[in-house]
Amino acid sequence: EPEVTQTPSHQVTQMGQEVILRCVPISNHLYFYWYRQILGQKVEFLVSFYNNEISEKSEIFDDQFSVERPDGSNFTLKIRSTKLEDSAMYFCASMRVNSISPLHFGNGTRLTVT
Amino acid sequence: AQSVSQHNHHVILSEAASLELGCNYSYGGTVNLFWYVQYPGQHLQLLLKYFSGDPLVKGIKGFEAEFIKSKFSFNLRKPSVQWSDTAEYFCAVNAGTSGTYKYIFGTGTRLKVLA
Repeated sequence: EPEVTQTPSHQVTQMGQEVILRCVPISNHLYFYWYRQILGQKVEFLVSFYNNEISEKSEIFDDQFSVERPDGSNFTLKIRSTKLEDSAMYFCASMRVNSISPLHFGNGTRLTVT
Repeated sequence: AQSVSQHNHHVILSEAASLELGCNYSYGGTVNLFWYVQYPGQHLQLLLKYFSGDPLVKGIKGFEAEFIKSKFSFNLRKPSVQWSDTAEYFCAVNAGTSGTYKYIFGTGTRLKVLA
């Protein structure tokens, strides 16, 4: 079964640095998402992306964050000037068509900001 | 705004015990409902989903869930748990209307099954 793949699995960065988290969604999927899960807390929606643009974003997704689909296969999340509170597990997900399609998640990238 | 509540944050059961995890959502319109499972160190995996029709849905690994519209609930059940069911379980809701495909997740229930 096709999978969503995320790299790296673990990223350690210093406060103030920029990080790029990478995802390769399932190839025939059209909707892409980033969620994050701070340790011990719930899975929080960050942003959804469709047709090469952001379709929805949460209040967490401020100017510090951006997403891109640079080459038709990768889907990246960039965090500029990371803060300690950005430490979390970041999950990429993709969905085939519409709201009745389930989300398929990647294994996540654990981001540690020191 | 949509929200999802999971009342049990931590559940500890012995093998062969029955399981019921509560999930309530707040949204007045048509919803699509999901349960995801996250095994230790792994990604979220779909356990089962409800879109329409029979409110009792069966998923993988012997899990089932019942949609009760009047109670805005979608509780997860399993008659006899196994040690391998130790995981975190998330209820999720999608509003099911065109124009928004945002899934809202509950806070999760961490299940530990004792061998």
